[in-house]
Amino acid sequence: ETGVTQTPRHLVMGMTNKKSLKCEQHLGHNAMYWYKQSAKKPLELMFVYSLEERVENNSVPSRFSPECPNSSHLFLHLHTLQPEDSALYLCASSQGPSGGYQETQYFGPGTRLLVL
Amino acid sequence: EDQVTQSPEALRLQEGESSSLNCSYTVSGLRGLFWYRQDPGKGPEFLFTLYSAGEEKEKERLKATLTKKESFLHITAPKPEDSATYLCAVQARSGGSNYKLTFGKGTLLTVNP
Repeated sequence: ETGVTQTPRHLVMGMTNKKSLKCEQHLGHNAMYWYKQSAKKPLELMFVYSLEERVENNSVPSRFSPECPNSSHLFLHLHTLQPEDSALYLCASSQGPSGGYQETQYFGPGTRLLVL
Repeated sequence: EDQVTQSPEALRLQEGESSSLNCSYTVSGLRGLFWYRQDPGKGPEFLFTLYSAGEEKEKERLKATLTKKESFLHITAPKPEDSATYLCAVQARSGGSNYKLTFGKGTLLTVNP
């Protein structure tokens, strides 16, 4: 595997379900991100982890719970979601604190989530 | 608050018909401006980073330029495989977050054969 991978690629869940999205990066980066992409809207940053510590939480509802067990893996735990949470959820990674000036973010393919 | 506006929202070209996409931005000190390409159902693919006004970068049929207020993505003699949504994002030099990218809504480019 190369780059940033995400599983599952597609997910359908009811409002009472609990599910998790997984992201893995094979780039040796130290920072990882979750973004939400809805139709007709710009990408919205949800969470940022740097060296496994959460450094940004962009006013995201508590029904989204991130977890970063190590610098290569990132999870997004979902529970009691609403239909308006249906979107493409993208994971990204960047070099992080050791990257210095260049903070290019590299994205995974995304998980298409549908909440019924 | 950092803002990014991309125009046009959609652009339809004939194969070989060159054009430009625009990204206007306001940011409290530019750390970097990024261009990405996104195909339907996929994640954004990194194209370029520009750091200072006057900088230019090229890749195949694409050339990105930067001024103090906007960036252009020039597409020369496009091919149907260049069809995609092109996203622009800025990263601010100041502020609490060194990582935050502010994205525009994108330009959907369609190149007809």
